[in-house]
Amino acid sequence: EAGVTQSPTHLIKTRGQQATLRCSPISGHTSVYWYQQALGLGLQFLLWYDEGEERNRGNFPPRFSGRQFPNYSSELNVNALELEDSALYLCASSTGADSDTGELFFGEGSRLTVL
Amino acid sequence: LAKTTQPISMDSYEGQEVNITCSHNNIATNDYITWYQQFPSQGPRFIIQGYKTKVTNEVASLFIPADRKSSTLSLPRVSLSDTAVYYCLVGLGAGNNRKLIWGLGTSLAVNP
Repeated sequence: EAGVTQSPTHLIKTRGQQATLRCSPISGHTSVYWYQQALGLGLQFLLWYDEGEERNRGNFPPRFSGRQFPNYSSELNVNALELEDSALYLCASSTGADSDTGELFFGEGSRLTVL
Repeated sequence: LAKTTQPISMDSYEGQEVNITCSHNNIATNDYITWYQQFPSQGPRFIIQGYKTKVTNEVASLFIPADRKSSTLSLPRVSLSDTAVYYCLVGLGAGNNRKLIWGLGTSLAVNP
């Protein structure tokens, strides 16, 4: 069974540009989480989607946005990129809001570099 | 919101048992405690999860006291490949208010 897949694995952008990151959850999982991990730091919660809806949002500016598609895959968009947006962006999936006991399955991440 | 606290780093040697403790004073009644392992430039990987008392699987044990305000991850006979960052995760709330709180992680270095 395929795990969580993320694309692209690496992305290089310049300040002011937009970045789009994609995530496909494990088959049967309806919840998708996005995290930002700057170099040497812990995971910072960005967004949580379940059943196509945004369920929760971390303390990030509105230029960080996303959506979840009917097939439960998800997209993270970062507009007006800033140098400090350079980080590893991790996507995780779980079985859903009602049954979620905290077990998340992570992808390998997308490394975004802003020059 | 409850905060989790872990040691920033730990050192050990191959073959030793390693215990990493996480404090979570404001854990809610229906929250679970989950530990993850992360290698550089990879996504975290689930290690173990528990609610109370003791849980054991093929890679680790998790000890949770009766008051559930802390938990201890125990790694038996560590090897060099166990060098990684270990995160304690406590689930807060339920339904739409759920917000999973991650600790800052404990960087474990296993030496030969």
